[in-house]
Amino acid sequence: QVQLVQSGAEVKKPGASVKVSCKASGYTFTSYGISWVRQAPGQGLEWMGWISAYNGNTNYAQKLQGRVTMTTDTSTSTAYMELRSLRSDDTAVYYCARGHDKSAFDIWGQGTMVTVSS
Amino acid sequence: EIVLTQSPDFQSVTPKEKVTITCRASQSIGSSLHWYQQKPDQSPKLLIKYASQSISGVPSRFSGSGSGTDFTLTINSLEAEDAAAYYCHQSSSLGGFGQGTKVEIK
Repeated sequence: QVQLVQSGAEVKKPGASVKVSCKASGYTFTSYGISWVRQAPGQGLEWMGWISAYNGNTNYAQKLQGRVTMTTDTSTSTAYMELRSLRSDDTAVYYCARGHDKSAFDIWGQGTMVTVSS
Repeated sequence: EIVLTQSPDFQSVTPKEKVTITCRASQSIGSSLHWYQQKPDQSPKLLIKYASQSISGVPSRFSGSGSGTDFTLTINSLEAEDAAAYYCHQSSSLGGFGQGTKVEIK
């Protein structure tokens, strides 16, 4: 079946980086984009950006420009999201979702908890 | 940046009641508006895409309407399993979500 499986929970110190993976299966990876969405504890959803699995084009949320990089590995049908210079307010569940910047997100990963704490 | 504002923030509803959630965009987004349901400790689930298009497997009591700046998600005859947070999402310009509406069952 179509699914996205994400990597496990991470605990990082302020200033560090984190890289979350999202492995796709059950569909042609390069036919869709992957978007990333995060959710701080008890808060709503925040769109982070999108990457085309076809050509690697990206679009990032303005507030994360310069700190976030999204990549894909088409040989393993895996998308990655790296966030640098972590702060306490980056503590959140990070989701990947199938969809591009002009579409709805029809398949979601299970989420990856990233905790930033000294 | 397009801002989405949902109302209400919270709604307490009895089973079989009709629920209406609205989402207003700060500028016209055509029909590029989607709705999601998120239950506690679960990933969001797509309910409606492009304002009014139904999604396979989603109960028919969920429907969407609107275009431009004003959109509505309607849940006809609410069931206990519909207790969740509901979010609108625009894909007209980059991405963005409304702040969410929590629906509680009385």
